Amino acid sequence: DAKTTQPPSMDCAEGRAANLPCNHSTISGNEYVYWYRQIHSQGPQYIIHGLKNNETNEMASLIITEDRKSSTLILPHATLRDTAVYYCIVLRTGGSQGNLIFGKGTKLSVKP
Amino acid sequence: SAVISQKPSRDICQRGTSLTIQCQVDSQVTMMFWYRQQPGQSLTLIATANQGSEATYESGFVIDKFPISRPNLTFSTLTVSNMSPEDSSIYLCSVELGQVGLEQYFGPGTRLTVT
Repeated sequence: DAKTTQPPSMDCAEGRAANLPCNHSTISGNEYVYWYRQIHSQGPQYIIHGLKNNETNEMASLIITEDRKSSTLILPHATLRDTAVYYCIVLRTGGSQGNLIFGKGTKLSVKP
Repeated sequence: SAVISQKPSRDICQRGTSLTIQCQVDSQVTMMFWYRQQPGQSLTLIATANQGSEATYESGFVIDKFPISRPNLTFSTLTVSNMSPEDSSIYLCSVELGQVGLEQYFGPGTRLTVT
């Protein structure tokens, strides 16, 4: 599975958009990009995933570059409750995804 | 999504003892997973538990140390055996849902401290 690179930390003002980048330059054609987050003292929470098209759900938007070597998770209106560590993970499709390899992620701090 | 509960939520145990952690899901799922999160670290997969078959352990984890049961499609247990302070971690179970590009949903975790 492809490795990912994320900045260790980011700050965002409450109410503003939080844009979290992820580099996955070695991604293969059948690998999806997943985003999870972990709020302090809680289990990780699935946010969104995509293959090559941009995706949006009630939590966030995922923008994947045309060459698929990088992506950006967008929280359109960050709140204090969005303060968490955000993990970008790349996985093959087909069968169980089982082993989510969590890197160090990006620690997002949303400030009032 | 799925609602996952774990018991206990936390425990303090003595060296050499064992602790069994329970994971309950509100729907039937095929795949369940157990992860460990050591202090200040990311999650590491311990094993995959399918109902009706032996658990599959990741490199560095063995059945004698972390025996797992999966008696039905909504329940699993992980036992941390012969504990040492190095086993102090958060232990999390997760389940896999969804269609293409399967999502995992995690329990709240069990915070274990070994003294």
